[in-house]
Amino acid sequence: DIVMTQTPLSLSVTPGQPASISCKSSQSLLHSDGKTYLYWYLQKPGQSPQLLIYEVSSRFSGVPDRFSGSGSGTDFTLKISRVEAEDVGVYYCMQDIHLFSFGPGTKVDIK
Amino acid sequence: QVTLKESGPVLVKPTETLTLTCTVSGFSLSNARMGVSWIRQPPGKALEWLAHIFSNDEKWYSTSLKTRLTISKDTSKSQVVLSMTNVDPVDTATYYCARVNGILPLDYWGQGALVTVSS
Repeated sequence: DIVMTQTPLSLSVTPGQPASISCKSSQSLLHSDGKTYLYWYLQKPGQSPQLLIYEVSSRFSGVPDRFSGSGSGTDFTLKISRVEAEDVGVYYCMQDIHLFSFGPGTKVDIK
Repeated sequence: QVTLKESGPVLVKPTETLTLTCTVSGFSLSNARMGVSWIRQPPGKALEWLAHIFSNDEKWYSTSLKTRLTISKDTSKSQVVLSMTNVDPVDTATYYCARVNGILPLDYWGQGALVTVSS
């Protein structure tokens, strides 16, 4: 099975400052079809998770452009250019090249 | 408007079988692009994917739980059912169902159903 890891596991950010979360997979997420099956989700307090980024770097409908994803193979990054109060919650990376698996989550709060 | 709603027992006894139903609306389970996954989250812990069913009835299961899980669907009722046998208190969690829409996995989620396993 593919194991997803994330660093850091928690992050405290001053509003308006950038934030970055790293995600690594135990196997390459690059498929023979040329796509890379890596996604990012945000679970706000008391809510169900919501899709932010699909296929490494494409923002889902309605996701602000301060969120961006990058990476390839086994190493990926989610960046928030300027953190806002509404961005607090737990961020998860996920793969579905082989079944589905989530990372352990990164909790982001505001200083 | 796409919605998913989980339903099932709030409390289950150890060794019993847990059966959860996900009722969907706003899309058809027979649409070739559509599938539904079940994911759970123990209190204060991370998300754990459990099972997925495709429109063609292909099924995927978590490697660690596959001997205990069965996923099925009733397209006419717009429902996806997950059964988990021989539950244990460690299975206490909020259980979510979520849609896969082609290249967009888990784009819509239900509100979740909290299930407690206790005698």
